[in-house]
Amino acid sequence: EVQLVESGGDLVQPGGSLRLSCAASGFTFSTYWMSWVRQAPGKGLEWVASVKEDGSEKYYVDSVKGRFTISRDNAQNSLYLQMNSLRAEDTAVYYCARFRGWHLGGYFDYWGQGTLVTVSS
Amino acid sequence: EIVLTQSPGTLSLSPGERATLSCRASQSVSNSYLAWYQQKPGQAPRLLIYGASSRATGIPDRFSGSGSGTDFTLTISRLEPEDFAVYYCQQYGSSPWTFGQGTKVEIK
Repeated sequence: EVQLVESGGDLVQPGGSLRLSCAASGFTFSTYWMSWVRQAPGKGLEWVASVKEDGSEKYYVDSVKGRFTISRDNAQNSLYLQMNSLRAEDTAVYYCARFRGWHLGGYFDYWGQGTLVTVSS
Repeated sequence: EIVLTQSPGTLSLSPGERATLSCRASQSVSNSYLAWYQQKPGQAPRLLIYGASSRATGIPDRFSGSGSGTDFTLTISRLEPEDFAVYYCQQYGSSPWTFGQGTKVEIK
């Protein structure tokens, strides 16, 4: 059974940093692209970032480029999102999702339960 | 960026009825790279349909997807109590990969 478990969400001040983690199990982690998708409170879904199986390619939505970094550790079956220079508009539940696709596009076939990031003073 | 507009915003139906949800794209979605997700309160989204019409693993056949170009439809043939939720479409034909704003299917 595919399982994705996020952690690391917290309340942080504007301009602060946070690192999210996602522990994966139930599938061969190193053979799948992975992604982060977020959902602001009461709002819709927004793709944030994706990383290739071996970590060699990374893609971001424009609003987080230069501030967020996606990475992975295939030996630990883990996905990460380093978030710097956080803004109020980054407040959201962040979902780790398995990505079925490649750099040209894809969909998200399994999702974790999410971790809440709140950016507020 | 491709903008997806879902309609209606809310659909009020009774169990057993047919639900038809629309997703319209601001420009053509290449290769019909369109997915549908279901989300219940407090839960993560669940993939229903990919490639506009292919059902994901374990999805009941009362869910079907159709369409191409800029117009796509998710149909639930007979609503079950567990189908009342919010549904999102997502295009993956052009980066950034974007979602619609959602359609809520509520019990009438």
